[in-house]
Amino acid sequence: LAKTTQPISMDSYEGQEVNITCSHNNIATNDYITWYQQFPSQGPRFIIQGYKTKVTNEVASLFIPADRKSSTLSLPRVSLSDTAVYYCLVGLLSGGSQGNLIFGKGTKLSVKP
Amino acid sequence: ETGVTQSPTHLIKTRGQQVTLRCSSQSGHNTVSWYQQALGQGPQFIFQYYREEENGRGNFPPRFSGLQFPNYSSELNVNALELDDSALYLCASSSTSHSSYEQYFGPGTRLTVT
Repeated sequence: LAKTTQPISMDSYEGQEVNITCSHNNIATNDYITWYQQFPSQGPRFIIQGYKTKVTNEVASLFIPADRKSSTLSLPRVSLSDTAVYYCLVGLLSGGSQGNLIFGKGTKLSVKP
Repeated sequence: ETGVTQSPTHLIKTRGQQVTLRCSSQSGHNTVSWYQQALGQGPQFIFQYYREEENGRGNFPPRFSGLQFPNYSSELNVNALELDDSALYLCASSSTSHSSYEQYFGPGTRLTVT
């Protein structure tokens, strides 16, 4: 699976838009990009997934440039409750057999009042 | 819809002992994966079970073993506990009808080995 690189930490203030960029230079043609969120002492929670261009759901947007060597998770108008660790994962989707998830250290986002 | 549950929440064991952790998968999910998360690190994949058989394993020694039952619940067993086994153990369930990256995690079991 492709290795990912993310900033170790980021700070923001309530109401701001936060963009977390992940580098994945060795992404393969069939790889998807997925982001998870983890609060302290809880399991990770799926946020968003995409292959190319832009994906948006009720929680976040995911921007993927044409070369797919990076991706940006965008959190609109963050609140204190968005303080968490955010993980970027890259790998192959397979409907039949289930692949394992390879997590890096993630980006620790701290939202201040 | 019932989410992923794990038991116990916390556990303290002595080095050399054995431990069993339990996981109930989300309703409708047939695949269970186990992860170990050390403090300040991302979760590390231990193994996955599908149809009651191991279906992939990470870089963990054989003293880490598991089971999946017909109702898709699962157990993680660790023998000869070592101090470095102290971690949060996470169980995640998923369905073969969904993408392999959409896994649903339980709250974890915090294991402390002294």
